[in-house]
Amino acid sequence: DAGITQSPRYKITETGRQVTLMCHQTWSHSYMFWYRQDLGHGLRLIYYSAAADITDKGEVPDGYVVSRSKTENFPLTLESATRSQTSVYFCASIRNVAGELFFGEGSRLTVL
Amino acid sequence: DQQVKQNSPSLSVQEGRISILNCDYTNSMFDYFLWYKKYPAEGPTFLISISSIKDKNEDGRFTVFLNKSAKHLSLHIVPSQPGDSAVYFCAASDALGFGNEKLTFGTGTRLTIIP
Repeated sequence: DAGITQSPRYKITETGRQVTLMCHQTWSHSYMFWYRQDLGHGLRLIYYSAAADITDKGEVPDGYVVSRSKTENFPLTLESATRSQTSVYFCASIRNVAGELFFGEGSRLTVL
Repeated sequence: DQQVKQNSPSLSVQEGRISILNCDYTNSMFDYFLWYKKYPAEGPTFLISISSIKDKNEDGRFTVFLNKSAKHLSLHIVPSQPGDSAVYFCAASDALGFGNEKLTFGTGTRLTIIP
């Protein structure tokens, strides 16, 4: 089925390790986003991409790196994980210009 | 600075009654507003939206009201059903469709419908 798939769905890692969360969409949507969800903060934008090879920072980009060599993939890398990066991460793409994001199922990351 | 605020973290409503979820914003440049619904272990899903040129938008049991002067919007669900139990996020954007496709989300309200 068409959609957005995220992997892994669950990940436990240790402080200082590198972690990559994968995101793949099958619609060829131009815009893709990474959000994190934390209690008391809602959904906060980490990075977004308007097209392949075009990325930009969101509200909370520190400690994260993204790339987008292909339209369908938008991986998010934590270069040196910290406990404050324990969160649920959602990848999304925009279905049309009216702001209707389509989200993946999320990746729950725990940093010990 | 939280530009989109949902001051009620939780709300409980009897089945069949009206649920009213509120959202306030501070950025006067916001001109498009959306509501998303989220079930546990799933991603948020789009529910309903409203442009700043309107003050009301209706879709079945869901109605969103926008009061621009008060920088306030609300989502009404009538009648409430058990399947409506979820976390609801309001979101806002400025200049959507003009190269600014980012959304700013609120903190969410957990709605529980009591059978």
